[in-house]
Amino acid sequence: DAKTTQPPSMDCAEGRAANLPCNHSTISGNEYVYWYRQIHSQGPQYIIHGLKNNETNEMASLIITEDRKSSTLILPHATLRDTAVYYCIVRAPDSGGGADGLTFGKGTHLIIQP
Amino acid sequence: DGGITQSPKYLFRKEGQNVTLSCEQNLNHDAMYWYRQDPGQGLRLIYYSQIVNDFQKGDIAEGYSVSREKKESFPLTVTSAQKNPTAFYLCASSPRFRGLAYEQYFGPGTRLTVT
Repeated sequence: DAKTTQPPSMDCAEGRAANLPCNHSTISGNEYVYWYRQIHSQGPQYIIHGLKNNETNEMASLIITEDRKSSTLILPHATLRDTAVYYCIVRAPDSGGGADGLTFGKGTHLIIQP
Repeated sequence: DGGITQSPKYLFRKEGQNVTLSCEQNLNHDAMYWYRQDPGQGLRLIYYSQIVNDFQKGDIAEGYSVSREKKESFPLTVTSAQKNPTAFYLCASSPRFRGLAYEQYFGPGTRLTVT
């Protein structure tokens, strides 16, 4: 799986959009970009994933650059409850050879300021 | 409610004792995983299982053992051979559809302290 690079921490004002960047310059053509978040002392929570098109769900939007070397997770109206560590992960779909685990780096600690 | 349960939330053991962490899922997922998290670090894969009666070592399997006798259950035993067992342990599950992308669902975690 390709490696990702994220800033260690970011601040965002409550009510504003939080934009979390992720670089994955060695991503392969069949690898998806996943985002998870982990609120302190809880299990990670899946947010969104995409291959090359932009994606949106009830939690967030995912913008992937045309060359797929970077992406941005957007939380449109951040609340205090969005304070968490956000992980960007790239992973190929199940090839049938094994359901190996996700590779989590240190992620970005997003702090929402009141 | 469908989901993953881990018990207990906090566990304390004396050094030299084996301890088993429970993980149960009712999502009908084929694959299950165990991760370990140390303070300020990301998750590291201990073991995973694609199907009942089959499991594979992850990146840090030494000192751990697992079983997968039922689809719903994937218990992890932390043995006395694990040198630094104090950590936050997370269980996850996912469906398996060849050629498709899928997300993993995580349990709430068990915080193990060994003294």
